[in-house]
Order: sequence, then C-alpha cells, then structure tokens
Amino acid sequence: AQSVTQLDSHVSVSEGTPVLLRCNYSSSYSPSLFWYVQHPNKGLQLLLKYTSAATLVKGINGFEAEFKKSETSFHLTKPSAHMSDAAEYFCVVSDGSNYQLIWGAGTKLIIKP
Amino acid sequence: NAGVTQTPKFQVLKTGQSMTLQCAQDMNHEYMSWYRQDPGMGLRLIHYSVGAGITDQGEVPNGYNVSRSTTEDFPLRLLSAAPSQTSVYFCASSPGLADLTQETQYFGPGTRLLVL
Repeated sequence: AQSVTQLDSHVSVSEGTPVLLRCNYSSSYSPSLFWYVQHPNKGLQLLLKYTSAATLVKGINGFEAEFKKSETSFHLTKPSAHMSDAAEYFCVVSDGSNYQLIWGAGTKLIIKP
Repeated sequence: NAGVTQTPKFQVLKTGQSMTLQCAQDMNHEYMSWYRQDPGMGLRLIHYSVGAGITDQGEVPNGYNVSRSTTEDFPLRLLSAAPSQTSVYFCASSPGLADLTQETQYFGPGTRLLVL
C-alpha cells in the first residue's frame, strides 16, 4: 500500500533564508510524486511533479524537489523564501496501481519578516 | 475557460438533511474526483470518475453518492448529512488522456460545509 508522510506540520523561516519541507513516501511500484500548494482561503495548485524522468524537478516560483529512491524521499526546497510563499504545502504520491492519489497531511510554511 | 467551478461556496445543514454539491469543468477533462479536507489530515478521496457513466469509490465513500451523466458535471450527493461530514470539499479534474496517475489535477475553489 502506498502512503506519504510529511515530517513537519509547521515550518517557520525568515524571509530570504532557505526553505526545506520534508516528505517521505512508501510505494510498491515506481511512484509519481507531486507537491501542491494551497494559499490561505484559496484552492490548490500544482507546484511540481516527478514522473520517472529527471530526479531533480523544478517547479514554479523557484521551488524544486529531488526524488531519492534509496531514501524514499521527495523533499521540497527553495533557496530564498519570500513572504508570498506563506501557504500550506502537500506532498502527494501515486504508484500507478489505481487512479487514486494519496495526500500527506500538509506542512504549513510560515515566513517571518 | 472558467476551469473547475463549485457551488455553493458555503452551506449549513442540519443533521439528516440532504444536499448536492455541484462541480463542473469546461476543459473537456475525462477524470474528475471529489476530496474532503479536514484539519491535519490532508485531502482524502471520496469518489472519482474516469469518464461519463463511470464512477468508483475512493478512500472515504460512505455517506456520499456520485453520478457522471456528462463529461462536464460531477455532482456529489449527501443523502443524510451527519456532523462528521463537516469539512471542506474540493472537486478536481484532469485530462485523463494517458496515465492518470501522472497528470496534474485542477482544483475548484472548494465548498465549506457545516453540519449541525
């Protein structure tokens, strides 16, 4: 069975410092992995996705994530945080065995001025 | 394109009442799905559809019904609302052209439901 764990419920960083949001997954197959972002009181938007091509994936707004099969991880990073990055971030896994995506519980990113 | 639209934006129900949450998309997407979002739990799949006339259950289907008579519409019905169904509901769609599990999901703005 597939599952996904976001290791931090909240992450707080200062503006201009690096961001690291951690995600570990479990899958019986070769997974597809996604990061979605939800800004306050808004819908969800795709940030980036890994679908068995390059292991380092670049997304919108300067975010990127690296698929590490040996560590079963797909951590999200950004070199320099901006106030507009304050949002909730969801790591999502799909292993291709069905049409269902499994969502992590979310990490709330707080940006301090 | 309007994308994925949902109505209503907010609804209050009494226990035992029924209602239908509407979802429509104008992108000619084959795949549509309904999620509920609860604090600290991420999104959980309720039902999904891979095309008109085809629906299937997700992770938490109990208490909900769906149908897909057209490509555009995918309504979610609560037959007898319970306080445990208080949540934010999101509808999503994707093209459904090849490998569904690799496709980007496009989300509606959500419906906030309170069951008293």
